[in-house]
Amino acid sequence: NAGVMQNPRHLVRRRGQEARLRCSPMKGHSHVYWYRQLPEEGLKFMVYLQKENIIDESGMPKERFSAEFPKEGPSILRIQQVVRGDSAAYFCASSPGPKNTGELFFGEGSRLTVL
Amino acid sequence: GESVGLHLPTLSVQEGDNSIINCAYSNSASDYFIWYKQESGKGPQFIIDIRSNMDKRQGQRVTVLLNKTVKHLSLQIAATQPGDSAVYFCAEDSNYQLIWGAGTKLIIKP
Repeated sequence: NAGVMQNPRHLVRRRGQEARLRCSPMKGHSHVYWYRQLPEEGLKFMVYLQKENIIDESGMPKERFSAEFPKEGPSILRIQQVVRGDSAAYFCASSPGPKNTGELFFGEGSRLTVL
Repeated sequence: GESVGLHLPTLSVQEGDNSIINCAYSNSASDYFIWYKQESGKGPQFIIDIRSNMDKRQGQRVTVLLNKTVKHLSLQIAATQPGDSAVYFCAEDSNYQLIWGAGTKLIIKP
């Protein structure tokens, strides 16, 4: 009965490289959310996806960031040409249905460090 | 804009005492609130939630109080234990987005 699985847990990239963060939702969950957390701060919504659909990406920067949740496989958050300001913890959460009917289940996060 | 904020960034309590963590929100139209616990290096963990048609909700050792008049939430933890050490966030449900406060760090003194 695995929870939300994220990998890698830690990722180090140099400026200009690409970062790919993966999230496998809980079994039976078809809704995935990505959040970003800076140190000493709360989480900030980035994007909400269902299988093969982006429902809301209003929290995601227009450039360099993209997210997908394919029919098969994990959800991917991709950051191109990373900059130091991208250093943060990125959390994925999943739910069986639209979130506002209950709590989200969060993964342990992927911590990106940009050198 | 909409915001959810916490009054105290750090709270120190004696083991065995009760803890009270406060939260203010600004959107009077919000109807669903959630408290999360985040231990160091881990993801947020759901503690308890409350809808705006309620003033109080109790769980195991935790109680959430909602005062809609002053747009204030509190989380009460009874008989605080060392395992309660964490950062506590209140979050406001805005459709399918959660709007998070900055967090309160709870420190347990032995």
